[in-house]
Amino acid sequence: AQSVSQHNHHVILSEAASLELGCNYSYGGTVNLFWYVQYPGQHLQLLLKYFSGDPLVKGIKGFEAEFIKSKFSFNLRKPSVQWSDTAEYFCAVNAPNSGYALNFGKGTSLLVTP
Amino acid sequence: DAGITQSPRHKVTETGTPVTLRCHQTENHRYMYWYRQDPGHGLRLIHYSYGVKDTDKGEVSDGYSVSRSKTEDFLLTLESATSSQTSVYFCAISSGGAEDTQYFGPGTRLTVL
Repeated sequence: AQSVSQHNHHVILSEAASLELGCNYSYGGTVNLFWYVQYPGQHLQLLLKYFSGDPLVKGIKGFEAEFIKSKFSFNLRKPSVQWSDTAEYFCAVNAPNSGYALNFGKGTSLLVTP
Repeated sequence: DAGITQSPRHKVTETGTPVTLRCHQTENHRYMYWYRQDPGHGLRLIHYSYGVKDTDKGEVSDGYSVSRSKTEDFLLTLESATSSQTSVYFCAISSGGAEDTQYFGPGTRLTVL
């Protein structure tokens, strides 16, 4: 069965610090990978996604992620975080045998302090 | 934002009562999903639908049923609510296919006392 692991459950950074959130998945076949963000009190929004091609994917708000097939990883990065990046971040893989439903990691809560 | 609404947005109910949550979309997307979000668990799939009257179970389907009689509406029913079903419920839609983005609704916060 597919699974997604997010290594950091809570991260606290100061503004302008660099961010890297880890995500590993277990699945032997072709994968489609996503990062979603949930701002306090809001619904999930797509940050970026990877299906094929260039393993370095750029998303909204200055986020990027790198797919490393050999490491089964899809880590999220941002060079310089802002207070407004405070949110919960979810890595996900979609499951072809469940109507392409998303299999989510448990999430990483990011707090950016001024 | 994709045209997805959920109703009610908040509900408090008592153990043993039936509850129905509604998801409505205006995008004419084929696939619709119900997830629940709990601290420490992320989001987990309850049920999904791949067309009118076509539904299937997800990872945490016990205690839930769904129905889809129209493309735009996907109902989630808790036949007899329990405290373990206290959660935030999110509906999502997609047009289908591995590369399609899922768009999420605003969520329903359900408390079962």
